[in-house]
Formats: sequence, structure tokens, C-alpha cells
Amino acid sequence: DTGVSQDPRHKITKRGQNVTFRCDPISEHNRLYWYRQTLGQGPEFLTYFQNEAQLEKSRLLSDRFSAERPKGSFSTLEIQRTEQGDSAMYLCASSPGLAESNEQFFGPGTRLTVL
Amino acid sequence: RKEVEQDPGPFNVPEGATVAFNCTYSNSASQSFFWYRQDCRKEPKLLMSVYSSGNEDGRFTAQLNRASQYISLLIRDSKLSDSATYLCVVDLTGTASKLTFGTGTRLQVTL
Repeated sequence: DTGVSQDPRHKITKRGQNVTFRCDPISEHNRLYWYRQTLGQGPEFLTYFQNEAQLEKSRLLSDRFSAERPKGSFSTLEIQRTEQGDSAMYLCASSPGLAESNEQFFGPGTRLTVL
Repeated sequence: RKEVEQDPGPFNVPEGATVAFNCTYSNSASQSFFWYRQDCRKEPKLLMSVYSSGNEDGRFTAQLNRASQYISLLIRDSKLSDSATYLCVVDLTGTASKLTFGTGTRLQVTL
């Protein structure tokens, strides 16, 4: 399968714990994005990388959230001191980064439940 | 006002019907426009890009009206398998960076 992959697919954690999610983009896609989706809403942008550089962060990304893409390939999203409001689907997407188009391809998501 | 606005529906239509979804966006400088489809508890999947001249892919037709900042999706001859949520998606920044999603319009096609 050459699509975007995410791990884990589901995560249940207790409030206050730290969690880390991984995303592997489509190979040769130099842009990688993280979004969050809650029930009944469309995905909301969190942050994106061009290669290893993090170019933009949403105000939704509080200081408890950190994302990395150290070698310009896979990325991790860490949430520290989780809160119940963090419960959501966390989606990763990648794109070739062409100036004339911004088609993004999504992974299956990591569903986080904070108890 | 939301940056990308859609009627959440649901739209309940019989098989074979034609159904149209509309979407408005806030930034006239927006450059890229898409319709994504999302099945229940699955990731969004690109249905089609929307071009200035309008474009068609089989039973699906997308149109863009830049003057009114309005996008539409027309589905002809609806199939049961078309039941899903259709997300209107815009690159509001015009810089090929983040995408802004509407809340989605839910379509249910029935026998």
C-alpha cells in the first residue's frame, strides 16, 4: 500500500497522560499536514511541514502539542497532559507540494479518546 | 461567518435522482477548490478538483463562480453507494498550503 499510513489507529488514554502519533506520508511527497476532526465538523488544520521545516501552526495547536518531521519523511504529533477536549480524530495528509495544485491525500486517522 | 460554509443536510434522495450541493467561501484570493467525500468513520478522499471553467467526471459536475465566491457539486443518477458526507474544501490562502474544510453535507440515497 503506497498511501498515507498512520499509527496507531485508535488510542485510549487517561487525562493527563502523554500520547504520540505517527504518520508516514506518500513517498516523495514533500508536504505533510496534520488536521483534527471532531464529530459533525470538517477537519481543522493544525500544522504543516515542507520537508523537515514546520512552516505554519494553527492557533488550535496549544503549547501541549508538538509536531516533528526530523528527516523530512515520517512525522510525529505529541500531545502532553491530555485533556478530554483533545478527544478527536487526528488526520495526517500529504501532497507533492506543487505550486499549481494543493491536492492532499489523507491517511486513515488516529482516533483519540481521553477518559 | 464561517470561512467555508455548507448546508449540513441531510439530503435524502431516491436512487436515480439528481442532487446539488452548494458552498460559499470567504476569501476572494482563494486559488484551489475541491470536493472531498467522507464515509462514516473514514478519512476524507478527494472526489474532484474544481476548475474555473467547470469540470465533469462521470455523473459528477463541479462548478466555480469566483464573482459570487460559490462552488457547487451536482450528482446525477444517484446511486446507493453515493451516500456519504461531501466536504467543500478551499485553499483560502492561495499559497498551496493548508486547506479549509466546510462542515460537510450529508447525502443519503435510498431505494
